[in-house]
Amino acid sequence: ETGVTQTPRHLVMGMTNKKSLKCEQHLGHNAMYWYKQSAKKPLELMFVYSLEERVENNSVPSRFSPECPNSSHLFLHLHTLQPEDSALYLCASSQDLGLAQNIQYFGAGTRLSVL
Amino acid sequence: GESVGLHLPTLSVQEGDNSIINCAYSNSASDYFIWYKQESGKGPQFIIDIRSNMDKRQGQRVTVLLNKTVKHLSLQIAATQPGDSAVYFCAETYSGNTPLVFGKGTRLSVIA
Repeated sequence: ETGVTQTPRHLVMGMTNKKSLKCEQHLGHNAMYWYKQSAKKPLELMFVYSLEERVENNSVPSRFSPECPNSSHLFLHLHTLQPEDSALYLCASSQDLGLAQNIQYFGAGTRLSVL
Repeated sequence: GESVGLHLPTLSVQEGDNSIINCAYSNSASDYFIWYKQESGKGPQFIIDIRSNMDKRQGQRVTVLLNKTVKHLSLQIAATQPGDSAVYFCAETYSGNTPLVFGKGTRLSVIA
């Protein structure tokens, strides 16, 4: 166990559905991240939160909406997705931003299929 | 833009042999590097890290080498075991103030 838990592990949704991905970290970290991992592509950073404030949005379409109610929880709200959004969505956390040794700890991911 | 890349997308090794996974980085300002291992059905797991003021760091059965002159990073796994089969990613950052940039990954297959 990495201390980062993601639910659900698998999700199938239609293009008109609304769903949410949940991430919870038990490490006492202050920074949390959402990544997208698809076949044959490097990990793509989507969002970064530090102390519940969004500090980075990597030109992610508005159909992805993150929410960080506290430093232990991170959500990714999904709405009107496209089939090309099918991927593994990974959550990670790290102690803080701006540290020279900023190790990120990842959850197991949510495998999303958009039909 | 700056990017991190891997030389070999796949690597097959015999059980018991040593494995070497390579990574090239293009941002000469990067000063911190991490290797991650991702097994099937799991998220990336931290293996070992190295700062740019070092050229070698050893862990349990793993060694990371950093050559800043040619901007090259390698991960050596001694006595490779079936449990080492996974995709390995290198990642780089500059003083922790920039997001980790991940390479494409190398798949290591261990032949029993």
